[in-house]
Amino acid sequence: DGGITQSPKYLFRKEGQNVTLSCEQNLNHDAMYWYRQDPGQGLRLIYYSQIVNDFQKGDIAEGYSVSREKKESFPLTVTSAQKNPTAFYLCASRNSLSVGEAFFGQGTRLTVV
Amino acid sequence: EDQVTQSPEALRLQEGESSSLNCSYTVSGLRGLFWYRQDPGKGPEFLFTLYSAGEEKEKERLKATLTKKESFLHITAPKPEDSATYLCAVHASSGSARQLTFGSGTQLTVLP
Repeated sequence: DGGITQSPKYLFRKEGQNVTLSCEQNLNHDAMYWYRQDPGQGLRLIYYSQIVNDFQKGDIAEGYSVSREKKESFPLTVTSAQKNPTAFYLCASRNSLSVGEAFFGQGTRLTVV
Repeated sequence: EDQVTQSPEALRLQEGESSSLNCSYTVSGLRGLFWYRQDPGKGPEFLFTLYSAGEEKEKERLKATLTKKESFLHITAPKPEDSATYLCAVHASSGSARQLTFGSGTQLTVLP
């Protein structure tokens, strides 16, 4: 079945650590996105990518980094520079050449301990 | 700048009590409006796409409508399993991959 997979579902980070969230899709979508969702708030865009080896900052990119070495994969690293990383992280993909909907993964909940 | 505003923030209904959720938008050329359902701790699940004013889409107890300034998600005779957060997003003709702009959602609770 085609879809988008995020892992892990839960992740715990100690102060000063970098952690990487995985996102893989087999929908052959060119565009991929990372969003952050805090309780009671909407989705805020962290980074997006429309093509391999190219990505753009979203509204809240500080303290995060991404790579797009393969069309199917768009991992997000939460660095120690992100002062308030506890949140629910969502990865999405879509065909940016059409007016199609975005498909989402099931999310990763990151907690700082 | 594209903006999407959803209201109310939260809505509590009795089972069978019909109501509507609102999504108002200000964008530079709407290409599509999307409705999603999100259950706690899960990713958003796609419901509908609307492309032009006057268009309507239906699925079970849900009906989405679109005007030039807003969209409504009508819920007819809701059941407790309809409880979720409903998100609205717009796709504007900005020419870049980040065309999607999301609202903050309406948290719907349907009481038995």
